[in-house]
Amino acid sequence: GENVEQHPSTLSVQEGDSAVIKCTYSDSASNYFPWYKQELGKGPQLIIDIRSNVGEKKDQRIAVTLNKTAKHFSLHITETQPEDSAVYFCAASRGRDDKIIFGKGTRLHILP
Amino acid sequence: DAGVIQSPRHEVTEMGQEVTLRCKPISGHDYLFWYRQTMMRGLELLIYFNNNVPIDDSGMPEDRFSAKMPNASFSTLKIQPSEPRDSAVYFCASARSLAATNTGELFFGEGSRLTVL
Repeated sequence: GENVEQHPSTLSVQEGDSAVIKCTYSDSASNYFPWYKQELGKGPQLIIDIRSNVGEKKDQRIAVTLNKTAKHFSLHITETQPEDSAVYFCAASRGRDDKIIFGKGTRLHILP
Repeated sequence: DAGVIQSPRHEVTEMGQEVTLRCKPISGHDYLFWYRQTMMRGLELLIYFNNNVPIDDSGMPEDRFSAKMPNASFSTLKIQPSEPRDSAVYFCASARSLAATNTGELFFGEGSRLTVL
């Protein structure tokens, strides 16, 4: 089955700097890669996703990149703000009603 | 819509007791998922349903765990008997469709934090 590895497990960046979280996946048939953000005491919430026919996608300060050959994808957050502090999860799925498998998460701390 | 509703939010019980966690998915969503979150393992998929039918329960840890979905608006996850290693946050999530052509977005509840003493 699919296995998703996520690094780092913890990341601290100065407010205003950029943060990058990286994930790898094992199943070459996976074609849908969402990212979720989990705030304290809440359930995860989708923030951006990318499909295998796209190499990069941006939404304001957030961008995701996908390298299907290497089977890795990344989340980039620019101009970080205090409200970006949270746990971020990457995930992978083969789509077509297949289950979504999550990485173990990255706890992001934005330092003042 | 109120979103995915889980109960209880917190449960503290003693080893050997039965625990029942409840979930009400978003109306109109065809899929329902149960995940378990721990520091060591992150978010683990336990089981998911499509149109009330269990599709994949390969993530259920052992026979002590069972899940049901008697109708489109209600699901339960039961642990009997509970053990200290079952302590975790259990999330329920629902989705309209997972097909690659649709968003495939999962909507999570706020979780049920279980502590087994």
